[in-house]
Amino acid sequence: AQSVTQLGSHVSVSEGALVLLRCNYSSSVPPYLFWYVQYPNQGLQLLLKYTSAATLVKGINGFEAEFKKSETSFHLTKPSAHMSDAAEYFCAVSFSGFQKLVFGTGTRLLVSP
Amino acid sequence: DAMVIQNPRYQVTQFGKPVTLSCSQTLNHNVMYWYQQKSSQAPKLLFHYYDKDFNNEADTPDNFQSRRPNTSFCFLDIRSPGLGDAAMYLCATGRETQYFGPGTRLLVL
Repeated sequence: AQSVTQLGSHVSVSEGALVLLRCNYSSSVPPYLFWYVQYPNQGLQLLLKYTSAATLVKGINGFEAEFKKSETSFHLTKPSAHMSDAAEYFCAVSFSGFQKLVFGTGTRLLVSP
Repeated sequence: DAMVIQNPRYQVTQFGKPVTLSCSQTLNHNVMYWYQQKSSQAPKLLFHYYDKDFNNEADTPDNFQSRRPNTSFCFLDIRSPGLGDAAMYLCATGRETQYFGPGTRLLVL
C-alpha cells in the first residue's frame, strides 16, 4: 500500500534562509509524486510534480524537488525563503494514470523576518 | 482564469438542515473529486466521478451524496449536517494531476 510521511508538522525559517520540507513515500511501483501548497482558507495549489521524467523537478515560486528512488524521498527545497511562502505544504503520491492521491499529514512553514 | 470554481466560498447552515455545495470546472476532465478537510488535517477523499460513474469511499457517511449532471458540474449534498461536518470542502478535477478549487468552508450552527 502507498503511504507518505512528512517529517515535521512545523518548520520555521528566517526570511532568506534555505527551505527544506521532507517527504518520504512507500510504493511498490514507480510513483507519481506531488507537492501542493495551501494558504489559509484556500484550496490546494500544485507546486510541482514528478511523473518519471527528470528526477529534479522545478516548480512555481522558486521551489524544486528531487526524486531519489534509493532513499524513497521527494524533498521540497527553495534556496531563499520569502514571507509569502508561509503556508501549509502537502506531499502526495499516486500510481500512474488514474489513482487516488495519498496525502502526507502536511507541514506548516513559518517564515520570520 | 479559474479552472475549478466552487460556490459559495463560505456556507453557514443549521444543524440538520440540508445543504448543497457546487463545483464547476473548465478543463473538460472526465474525473471529478470531492474532499473533506478538517482543521490542520490533510484532505480526505469522499467520492469521485469517472464520467457518470460514481465511486464512493468505503468510510464516507451516507449523509453525503453527490450529483454530476454533466461534465462541467458536480454537487455535494449533505442531507442532515451535524456539528462534525463543519469543514472545508474541496473539489478537484484531473486524471494524472489533480487541480483543486478554492474550497467551500462550511459552518454548522
